[in-house]
Amino acid sequence: AQSVAQPEDQVNVAEGNPLTVKCTYSVSGNPYLFWYVQYPNRGLQFLLKYITGDNLVKGSYGFEAEFNKSQTSFHLKKPSALVSDSALYFCAVSDHQAGTALIFGKGTTLSVSS
Amino acid sequence: SQTIHQWPATLVQPVGSPLSLECTVEGTSNPNLYWYRQAAGRGLQLLFYSVGIGQISSEVPQNLSASRPQDRQFILSSKKLLLSDSGFYLCAWSTDGLAGLYNEQFFGPGTRLTVL
Repeated sequence: AQSVAQPEDQVNVAEGNPLTVKCTYSVSGNPYLFWYVQYPNRGLQFLLKYITGDNLVKGSYGFEAEFNKSQTSFHLKKPSALVSDSALYFCAVSDHQAGTALIFGKGTTLSVSS
Repeated sequence: SQTIHQWPATLVQPVGSPLSLECTVEGTSNPNLYWYRQAAGRGLQLLFYSVGIGQISSEVPQNLSASRPQDRQFILSSKKLLLSDSGFYLCAWSTDGLAGLYNEQFFGPGTRLTVL
């Protein structure tokens, strides 16, 4: 069965420093991977996805993610964090076995301090 | 452009009362539709998804049900709410068919349900 793991409940970084939010996956077949962000009491917003091609994927708000097949990872990164990046981040994988549903990780809270 | 609506935004209901949450999508046709529940600000759980009118797949066999009476309308219901039904309910849509496998899902603003 497909699954996603986000090993960190919380990540703390100072504004201006690079940030990384980790995600590992387990899938049978080709992995279709996604990152979403959620602000308090709001729906999820799509950041970026990996379907095929270049291992470095660029997305919204300056975020990027690196797909690493050998390590089965899809870590979210940003070169310089902003206080406004503070939010809950979800990694997800497309569930081939349940049609087109997504399987989400538990989420990682990113806190950027000024 | 596409828009997804959910209502109500917040709801407080007593245990044993019925529930009806509505989700509608504009600007697209034949979308895949989804209901998720999020407990305690984390962990989204897929409840139902639908690939067409009247076609509902259930992932969670509890006291909730879903219906899709129109192409772009998705309703989440319960006859009798439980305390454990409290949570943040999110509706989402994606492009229809297998393309939905590769395309992102777009989420509504959510409904905060509190069962007392």
